[in-house]
Amino acid sequence: DVKVTQSSRYLVKRTGEKVFLECVQDMDHENMFWYRQDPGLGLRLIYFSYDVKMKEKGDIPEGYSVSREKKERFSLILESASTNQTSMYLCASSLAGGLEETQYFGPGTRLLVL
Amino acid sequence: GENVEQHPSTLSVQEGDSAVIKCTYSDSASNYFPWYKQELGKRPQLIIDIRSNVGEKKDQRIAVTLNKTAKHFSLHITETQPEDSAVYFCAANNFGNEKLTFGTGTRLTIIP
Repeated sequence: DVKVTQSSRYLVKRTGEKVFLECVQDMDHENMFWYRQDPGLGLRLIYFSYDVKMKEKGDIPEGYSVSREKKERFSLILESASTNQTSMYLCASSLAGGLEETQYFGPGTRLLVL
Repeated sequence: GENVEQHPSTLSVQEGDSAVIKCTYSDSASNYFPWYKQELGKRPQLIIDIRSNVGEKKDQRIAVTLNKTAKHFSLHITETQPEDSAVYFCAANNFGNEKLTFGTGTRLTIIP
């Protein structure tokens, strides 16, 4: 059974703080994703990684960066948090190769930036 | 890139009735179309998917249909039950990579 975990369920940070969100998967998946979920906007892709140290911008990368030093771990970094980054952040992982494209999601981190 | 539109944004149906959610996509090269269900406070989970080489797929009370010519696909839920209440997201893959583009979601409420 695939397990994707995120480091925090809830976070409260102040404007300008550096924020780290971590995601770990235990199924040896090559692909990992970070989304933000906002009411009425669905799931929007922030960054995508298809291998260790590889990353690709998604649809809304501005204000975010990522790090993938190990296959099982994918970190999302908010360099200087702003109030418009208050949101639900979801991590997901999937197998590479196109044969099994199911994305498995973590429980989400609800971030409030004050 | 791919663009996915989803309608309606909210849907209320009487328990036992059917519910239909529709999505359109823009990239004719997309060939994989999953549907995810997100219950309140929980993570999205895949409930059914379809590939472009078939027109319909069923799994008990849930079915998905795909019209490649018109570039739209739909989720059909029959004999709805209270546990079907959730937000449903459609998605389409992006040709050449393994990303998914999601629709904006449909909040389905089943009225007892």
